[in-house]
Formats: sequence, structure tokens, C-alpha cells
Amino acid sequence: AQSVTQLDSHVSVSEGTPVLLRCNYSSSYSPSLFWYVQHPNKGLQLLLKYTSAATLVKGINGFEAEFKKSETSFHLTKPSAHMSDAAEYFCVVSDTGRRALTFGSGTRLQVQP
Amino acid sequence: GAVVSQHPSWVICKSGTSVKIECRSLDFQATTMFWYRQFPKQSLMLMATSNEGSKATYEQGVEKDKFLINHASLTLSTLTVTSAHPEDSSFYICSANPIAGAYEQYFGPGTRLTVT
Repeated sequence: AQSVTQLDSHVSVSEGTPVLLRCNYSSSYSPSLFWYVQHPNKGLQLLLKYTSAATLVKGINGFEAEFKKSETSFHLTKPSAHMSDAAEYFCVVSDTGRRALTFGSGTRLQVQP
Repeated sequence: GAVVSQHPSWVICKSGTSVKIECRSLDFQATTMFWYRQFPKQSLMLMATSNEGSKATYEQGVEKDKFLINHASLTLSTLTVTSAHPEDSSFYICSANPIAGAYEQYFGPGTRLTVT
């Protein structure tokens, strides 16, 4: 069985400050991990993915995440938040057998001006 | 590339009627498509996995007779909510896996169903 736990349901930062969204995973296999973003009334967009290559993964819009097996973590970071980053973020793990995705509960990022 | 569309984007129906939602991969072929359900301010829950030309695989607790899934071609999957009830009101999202052996999925914009 696989699961992901997003440690914060809501994160608020000021524009221009760093962003950290935390995610821990549990998987019986070598996992594939993803971060997706969901803006209001828009579809889910893939930010980045880890599939057993480099542990530091760079994604779109300046986001990156580091896979740490010893800590079973896959935290999402960005050096400087922008107002347009305000959205819901989902950490996701893949079932390598079925390709089905298991979503975390989501973290709502709020960016203050 | 890798665009997935859903139609309709928003539908209101009366209790007891059926509603069909379409999911199309516009610029790629998808042997596998997935249907998710999202309640307000909650995460996505996988309902079923749809493979082209075969029966869908439903997650535990999902009524296969209520949520009919058809994946007749490599670019189209449909979800029919039969005899809809107000508790079926939700946001339904599909995704498609474009390349065999890859695990990322591309998501449609979702369909908001309201049953009155």
C-alpha cells in the first residue's frame, strides 16, 4: 500500500519569501512522486516528478523538490513566492503496478502582498 | 502537448436522471484513463481505472452500476452517472496516461455535477 501525508493543510507566505510545502510518503516499492498544482476553476498541472533519477528535481515556475529516502520525504520549495503561486498543491505517489495515483490531502498556499 | 479535455465543464441534472461526462485526450493516445472525484476543499479520490477495450477497474466502495465507464477508443473515455442523487454532486476529474511505462498523468479541467 502507498500513501502520502501533506503535513500542512494551509501555508501563508509573503510575496518574495521562500515557500516550503512538506510531504512524507509511504510506499512498498521505489516510488514515483509528483507535485501537482490546482488553481481555482482550472485543471491539475504537473509541477515536477521524481522517478528514481536525480534526487533533486527541478520543475516549472521555479519550484523544486528533493527526494530523501532516509526521511521518506519529498518537500516542495521555491526561493521566492509570487502572487500567482497561490493555489492548492498536491503531493502524489504512483502505484508502479497500476499507474494509479494516490493524492495527499493538499496544501493551500496563500501569498500575501 | 498532452492536453486532456472534459465535456461538459458544468452540468445540473434532476435527481433520478443520468449524466454522461466525456474525457478526451486531444493530442495523444491513452491506453489508460483514470476517473477521480473531488469533494469541496478535499483531495482527489480515485474512482476507477479505464483501459481501452476492456472493463474498467473500480476502487473499493465505488458502485460500478452507478458509475458506468466506457473506454471505446484510445482518445475517449466516458463516465455515466446513472440515477443520480444529490449525494453524487461533486467535481469529477479525468486523467490520461500517455506513454506506456511512464507514470505521469495529464488531467482534464474537471466537470462539476450538481444534482437537484
